[in-house]
Order: sequence, then C-alpha cells, then structure tokens
Amino acid sequence: DQQVKQNSPSLSVQEGRISILNCDYTNSMFDYFLWYKKYPAEGPTFLISISSIKDKNEDGRFTVFLNKSAKHLSLHIVPSQPGDSAVYFCAAGSGNTGKLIFGQGTTLQVKP
Amino acid sequence: DGGITQSPKYLFRKEGQNVTLSCEQNLNHDAMYWYRQDPGQGLRLIYYSQIVNDFQKGDIAEGYSVSREKKESFPLTVTSAQKNPTAFYLCASSIIDRGSYEQYFGPGTRLTVT
Repeated sequence: DQQVKQNSPSLSVQEGRISILNCDYTNSMFDYFLWYKKYPAEGPTFLISISSIKDKNEDGRFTVFLNKSAKHLSLHIVPSQPGDSAVYFCAAGSGNTGKLIFGQGTTLQVKP
Repeated sequence: DGGITQSPKYLFRKEGQNVTLSCEQNLNHDAMYWYRQDPGQGLRLIYYSQIVNDFQKGDIAEGYSVSREKKESFPLTVTSAQKNPTAFYLCASSIIDRGSYEQYFGPGTRLTVT
C-alpha cells in the first residue's frame, strides 16, 4: 500500500526552464509534507516543506504547492540549473512520531 | 559541526554473517531512524526510536535489529535472516515536535553481501 506516490520516475528539462515534480498521497491524515534532494551515494538533504494548513510555500527558486482536495503536491524549480540534477523525494508525516512516508523518487536531469 | 555520521561508507560481508552499521548524531535529537534504499523504491523505514531504550519496527523490520542505549547512537544490525541485505542504508534523526517533521540524514552506508 503505497501511501505516497511519485508516478514519474524521471524528468528532463532545459537549463533556465521550470521543473515541476509531482507527488500524490492517499492518507488524508497527513499534516506535513516535505521535499528532499538526493545525490548518488549520499544522504538526502531537506529542500522545502509545507503544512497541510497552507497551499503554497516558497523559498528562493523552490515553491511547493499543496492541493488537499486532490491529495496532490508539486515542487516547482524556477529557473532550473544543472546543479539541480538529482533524485527528488516527497515525504509526508502525521501525528507526533516524526515518522515520514517517502515516495519512490523522481530523477531530474537539467540539461545545459 | 553538528550532524550525523555513518560508518563505514562501504561494507562487504559474506552471506550468513551478521553485520552492524553505525549511526551517531550530535544534534541532540530525540528521534532516530533507519531506512533502506533500493533502486526505484525510495526510502523504506526499518526501525525508529523516539527515546533512549525504546524503539519500534518500521515497514520492513524483518531480519534487522537495533538498540538505543545512548541518545546519540542508534546502531543497526543486519542479521543473516535478512533475505536481501545488499542495499544502501540511511540513518536519520529529528526532534519530536508536531508540526516539524524534518529529518536530517547521514551520508549512508552501502552494504554488499555476497
């Protein structure tokens, strides 16, 4: 039972354009969502998060949008840079255990 | 510098042997987690601990064991009962605070069992 899904295994965009990474979830009890970036053979690093009481959060080139009715969130990167090429994971949490459920990841390639 | 350390970076073992992966944090976080990453499957939770001397099974705990004798340390033992132990293992830590779920990850350990 995959509660958090990233249906696109990969995405390729041109440098300077927008990258949009998508994530769907099934559990309406999730109250916090996060995006992580991961390079090969390294641990994930936190990018940006959003609480379920908001529908948008922005940090520099990164914006996360949350659509609770559709149980969908997306990460927008504008403008995309070659250094953004990595695997991106969305994750969701609820309650006070601190546990996160991760999606399968989307590999982003930004071409110069 | 505060952070999470995992050692070693690469580990090789023969089938049938138990192996222990180290995870240490100096962030003063209460909670610690172990994940396993396989290609195309994202991160799957093995065990987690919210407090010293207490831990809970995650989604794929079979064949693994943990201990939490100190706040800063959360070692993971991969036992011979784990059917597919070759994977990339990630340790993470976090504060316990509803509304803040950010986990900080270590650099990972690549375990290869032959």
